[in-house]
Amino acid sequence: DQQVKQNSPSLSVQEGRISILNCDYTNSMFDYFLWYKKYPAEGPTFLISISSIKDKNEDGRFTVFLNKSAKHLSLHIVPSQPGDSAVYFCAAEIGGGSGGGADGLTFGKGTHLIIQP
Amino acid sequence: NAGVMQNPRHLVRRRGQEARLRCSPMKGHSHVYWYRQLPEEGLKFMVYLQKENIIDESGMPKERFSAEFPKEGPSILRIQQVVRGDSAAYFCASSPPGGRSYNEQFFGPGTRLTVL
Repeated sequence: DQQVKQNSPSLSVQEGRISILNCDYTNSMFDYFLWYKKYPAEGPTFLISISSIKDKNEDGRFTVFLNKSAKHLSLHIVPSQPGDSAVYFCAAEIGGGSGGGADGLTFGKGTHLIIQP
Repeated sequence: NAGVMQNPRHLVRRRGQEARLRCSPMKGHSHVYWYRQLPEEGLKFMVYLQKENIIDESGMPKERFSAEFPKEGPSILRIQQVVRGDSAAYFCASSPPGGRSYNEQFFGPGTRLTVL
């Protein structure tokens, strides 16, 4: 049972344009969401996160939007750059704010973003 | 400050052998997580450990897999009597103790296990 779904295995975007990566979840207990970026042969790198009490979080070129009623979140990258080409994982967890370290994250299968020059 | 270190980066084993994967968390981090990524899949949580304690092993297969994080030394993920289906990338992540602002887990480069 896939609780975090990234339905687009790949996405191709022209350099300079906006990249929008989507993620849906089914477990209403999730209250903290994260995006990770992964290059081949490397571990995932944390990108940006959002708590369920917010609907938007922005960090430079990256913005994450959360629609709790739709159980949907999206990552916007603008403008897209060649170095953004990577696999992007959406992840979620339960128990936000409990402190003392996080429990395991539930990951989607990833979306391979390709930025074309 | 060195990141999360994992070794070996690549490990080849024959069916029936044992695999030992090591993870050294970032300095100051006392929480370690192990994840497995099968081909074409996302990362799947396996186990969450603090020093000398297993906190959550709900993602660990019931047999052949074990994990430890001793008081001294790296965390070890041990797979006994490996089978071909164990072939995957195994990622370790660490996080510091503390509140929500420290909730991001920092990942190591992974160990790619191939079972022949």
